[in-house]
Amino acid sequence: AQSVAQPEDQVNVAEGNPLTVKCTYSVSGNPYLFWYVQYPNRGLQFLLKYITGDNLVKGSYGFEAEFNKSQTSFHLKKPSALVSDSALYFCAVSSHLQIGNQFYFGTGTSLTVIP
Amino acid sequence: DAGVTQSPTHLIKTRGQQVTLRCSPKSGHDTVSWYQQALGQGPQFIFQYYEEEERQRGNFPDRFSGHQFPNYSSELNVNALLLGDSALYLCASSGPGGRPPGGTQYFGPGTRLLVL
Repeated sequence: AQSVAQPEDQVNVAEGNPLTVKCTYSVSGNPYLFWYVQYPNRGLQFLLKYITGDNLVKGSYGFEAEFNKSQTSFHLKKPSALVSDSALYFCAVSSHLQIGNQFYFGTGTSLTVIP
Repeated sequence: DAGVTQSPTHLIKTRGQQVTLRCSPKSGHDTVSWYQQALGQGPQFIFQYYEEEERQRGNFPDRFSGHQFPNYSSELNVNALLLGDSALYLCASSGPGGRPPGGTQYFGPGTRLLVL
C-alpha cells in the first residue's frame, strides 16, 4: 500500500532564508509524487510533481523538489522564503500500478515564515 | 476557465441525517475523486469516478456513496451521519481519460461539514 510521511508537523524559517519541507514515501511500483499547498479555509493548490526524468523538479512560486530514489524522499525546497509562503504543505503519492490516479497524502507540514 | 467548484461551502447536520455534496470538475476533465480531510489531518481518499462508475474506493464504509453524471459532475452522499464525519470534503478532478496514474488532480475549495 502507498503511504507518505511528513516527519515535521511544523517548520519555522526566517524570511529570505532557504526552506525545506521533508517528505518520504513508500509505494509499490514507480512513484508519482506531488506537492500541494493549502491556505486557511481553502482547497489544495498544485505546486509541482515528479513523474519521471530529471530528479530536480521546478514548480510554481519558485518552489522546487528533489526526487531521491535511494532514500525514497521528495523534499520541497525554496531558496528564499517569503512571508506569503506561510501555509500548510502536503506531499502526495500515487503509483503506476494503480488502476486510478488516486492520491495518498501525508499529514501535512505547517510552514511559518517569520518576517 | 472555471476550476473545480463545490457546493455548498458549509453545512451543518445532526447525527443520523443524510447529506449530499456536489462537485463540478474543471473543464475538459472527466475523472472525479473525493477526499475527506479531518481537522489537522491530510486528505483521505474516499472514491474515484470515471465514466459514471466507481473506479477505486478507499477505506470508507458503505454509508459513503457517490454518483457521476454524464456531464462529469459528481455527488457524494453520506447516510446515517456520525459525529466523526465532521470534516472538510474535497473534490478533485483530472483527465481526460483518467490516465495516466501520474495525472495531476485539481482540487475544489471544499465543503465543510459539521455534524452535531
